[in-house]
Amino acid sequence: AQSVTQPDIHITVSEGASLELRCNYSYGATPYLFWYVQSPGQGLQLLLKYFSGDTLVQGIKGFEAEFKRSQSSFNLRKPSVHWSDAAEYFCAVGALGKGTSGTYKYIFGTGTRLKVLA
Amino acid sequence: EAQVTQNPRYLITVTGKKLTVTCSQNMNHEYMSWYRQDPGLGLRQIYYSMNVEVTDKGDVPEGYKVSRKEKRNFPLILESPSPNQTSLYFCAIRRTGTYEQYFGPGTRLTVT
Repeated sequence: AQSVTQPDIHITVSEGASLELRCNYSYGATPYLFWYVQSPGQGLQLLLKYFSGDTLVQGIKGFEAEFKRSQSSFNLRKPSVHWSDAAEYFCAVGALGKGTSGTYKYIFGTGTRLKVLA
Repeated sequence: EAQVTQNPRYLITVTGKKLTVTCSQNMNHEYMSWYRQDPGLGLRQIYYSMNVEVTDKGDVPEGYKVSRKEKRNFPLILESPSPNQTSLYFCAIRRTGTYEQYFGPGTRLTVT
């Protein structure tokens, strides 16, 4: 079965420190992978995406993620965290879903809440 | 930039009182979808629509209805809300041929 695991529910880092948020997926084919950020009271904003090609992808707000097929992972990184990065982060996999149209669907992880210390 | 609007943004209602949450987009995208977000469960898909008059169930459709009479609108209908439908609801859109979704600001629903 398709699934996405974000093993860290909460992470706390100091401002200026580096950050890595983990995401592991289970999917039988080459996945489409996404990271979204949700600031308090806000909707989800797409940070970055991976479809194919270079396994290191750059996103907005200084974030990057690396796709590692052998580890079924798509970890999100940022070299220096800012206080405004405090938010909840969701990893998602795009997969062919059920339904008569065989449409493409998302499977979300349960999220990692990031706290940034001043 | 893709814009998705949801109304209302906050709603408190009572068990059994029918309600509708509207979702509207200005991008002429074919695909629209509804999710609910619950603590510890991430986002789960309720219903989706590939185009006008084409809808299908997601992972948690029970207790919900949708319709897609116009391309820009995709309302979520709760005919008889129950407390277990208290949640944060998101509408999302996607253009056919692409794979990234764009989300609305969310609707926080409380059913007492």
